Amino acid sequence: NAGVTQTPKFQVLKTGQSMTLQCAQDMNHEYMSWYRQDPGMGLRLIHYSVGAGITDQGEVPNGYNVSRSTTEDFPLRLLSAAPSQTSVYFCASRADGTLNEKLFFGSGTQLSVL
Amino acid sequence: DAKTTQPNSMESNEEEPVHLPCNHSTISGTDYIHWYRQLPSQGPEYVIHGLTSNVNNRMASLAIAEDRKSSTLILHRATLRDAAVYYCILRDAVNFGNEKLTFGTGTRLTIIP
Repeated sequence: NAGVTQTPKFQVLKTGQSMTLQCAQDMNHEYMSWYRQDPGMGLRLIHYSVGAGITDQGEVPNGYNVSRSTTEDFPLRLLSAAPSQTSVYFCASRADGTLNEKLFFGSGTQLSVL
Repeated sequence: DAKTTQPNSMESNEEEPVHLPCNHSTISGTDYIHWYRQLPSQGPEYVIHGLTSNVNNRMASLAIAEDRKSSTLILHRATLRDAAVYYCILRDAVNFGNEKLTFGTGTRLTIIP
């Protein structure tokens, strides 16, 4: 099982550039989410989705856009990168239902904005 | 959101049990208690979760206080591979679509060979 796959693993951007961080899961999970982790800190929720066509903002959504056209994919878009967005980004998914509490995380994308 | 408090760091000898404490005095009746761990340069990994009763799985045990204001993650026999940052997290499982997990800074566990 591939689980949650994130690409790329590393990326360097210049201020103002745009890019999309990819996230795909092969477990047919309804719930997907994006977190960022800054050095020495815990994870903070950026955006999440409870199913295809449904997205909502998390704790730190500014500067990021998401869409969910399929169950499998949940890309995160940076429209105009800023140095404050330098961070490690994690995508996660979980199955539907109140008994399915387990989150599965990808291995992360390390992003540097110069 | 209910918050959790954990020690910043702990050390334990290899092959000995480890008890990682977590305080969550403002927990609500519908909050699940989760534990995740993060190894260096990896994404968080689910360890265990529970609501009211103690829980066991192949990785660890979760002991929940009777008043639910604290919990303890127990690693029965620590190995070097258990060295990680351990996060204690609360999640309100009743509110539809509530996906926010507040991770905090966790406890950095060091295993001494």
